[in-house]
Amino acid sequence: QQQVKQSPQSLIVQKGGISIINCAYENTAFDYFPWYQQFPGKGPALLIAIRPDVSEKKEGRFTISFNKSAKQFSLHIMDSQPGDSATYFCAASLFGYQLTFGKGTKLSVIP
Amino acid sequence: EADIYQTPRYLVIGTGKKITLECSQTMGHDKMYWYQQDPGMELHLIHYSYGVNSTEKGDLSSESTVSRIRTEHFPLTLESARPSHTSQYLCASSEAGAGANVLTFGAGSRLTVL
Repeated sequence: QQQVKQSPQSLIVQKGGISIINCAYENTAFDYFPWYQQFPGKGPALLIAIRPDVSEKKEGRFTISFNKSAKQFSLHIMDSQPGDSATYFCAASLFGYQLTFGKGTKLSVIP
Repeated sequence: EADIYQTPRYLVIGTGKKITLECSQTMGHDKMYWYQQDPGMELHLIHYSYGVNSTEKGDLSSESTVSRIRTEHFPLTLESARPSHTSQYLCASSEAGAGANVLTFGAGSRLTVL
């Protein structure tokens, strides 16, 4: 049973465009929702995270939107750059417990 | 600069061989984890540890074993490798308590079993 469903599997965006990756979760007890970014040959690294008491969190060009009633959250990358090309993983957990990851989205930003 | 180190980065071995994947962290983190990652698939937790002499199995059943004799060291061992063990193995660590959800990952060990 997959507790965190991520889409799309791959995404191609032109430079300067907006990249949007969506995730849906099943366990309403989850209270921590991070996004990890992974470049080829590297391990994933924490990009941005949100808790369910807020609907949006922005850090630079990266924004998480959170919809508690729909059990969905998404990552928006504004003004996407070729350097943003990577695999992005959403995840969810109970605070302090193990993360459950989505399957990942491979983002390619083309010039 | 990496604070969590995995060796080897790449390993190609024959069926039946014993292998150990090494993982060391310099951050003094209490919690350490091993994830298995296949292309197009989510990261699957196979082992974790809350501290020295503590090891637990994760969500994904694995024939590998782990040990935690020192805080900074969390090796993973396969006694008899098989082609089905071909995968990328990622080690991670985190603080305990409030910092437990912030994982720091190593660069991974890519294992190919022929």
